[in-house]
Amino acid sequence: DAKTTQPPSMDCAEGRAANLPCNHSTISGNEYVYWYRQIHSQGPQYIIHGLKNNETNEMASLIITEDRKSSTLILPHATLRDTAVYYCIVGRGGADGLTFGKGTHLIIQP
Amino acid sequence: DTEVTQTPKHLVMGMTNKKSLKCEQHMGHRAMYWYKQKAKKPPELMFVYSYEKLSINESVPSRFSPECPNSSLLNLHLHALQPEDSALYLCASSQRTSGGLPYNEQFFGPGTRLTVL
Repeated sequence: DAKTTQPPSMDCAEGRAANLPCNHSTISGNEYVYWYRQIHSQGPQYIIHGLKNNETNEMASLIITEDRKSSTLILPHATLRDTAVYYCIVGRGGADGLTFGKGTHLIIQP
Repeated sequence: DTEVTQTPKHLVMGMTNKKSLKCEQHMGHRAMYWYKQKAKKPPELMFVYSYEKLSINESVPSRFSPECPNSSLLNLHLHALQPEDSALYLCASSQRTSGGLPYNEQFFGPGTRLTVL
């Protein structure tokens, strides 16, 4: 019973904004939305998280819909090094551990 | 130091061997995790340690035995493994705040790639 749904793969041109969607229609009120990515043969890397409000950091922006049932991760100027599997995860965080879904394989094209 | 280190990077073992995986962090994090990742699959949570005590065991077979000897070190002892246990074993750590906001970022190590023959 997946808590999130993501497209299995996406392409984006280098230099363009990459917009990765995620559906999480069963999210609870105390659950956060986390985004991690995993570049081939490396450990996952934290990108950003949010609860209700939109968030931005040096890596990306996170847009969460008002009903919190979906979100979009935005990489504003994608580079070849952003090619990775991107995981959208919902959970309480803390020391609960992360439940990864299948993720989206984002391929940045030169 | 914002790094989680794991040793060894690669391990090949027979089904009758006993081996251990080691994970270390010096960020003062009090939660540490083991995940297992099979090829082309997402990571799966195995164990969580919080303040050096096992807090979550995701029904992992007893041939995997975790140990947290201190707040910086996490081990995974392996005994009588099966070929299907071949995978990338990832360690992670995060801050643990008692009663604080549960939004902790997890820092992952590069993993140990285990092959069981």
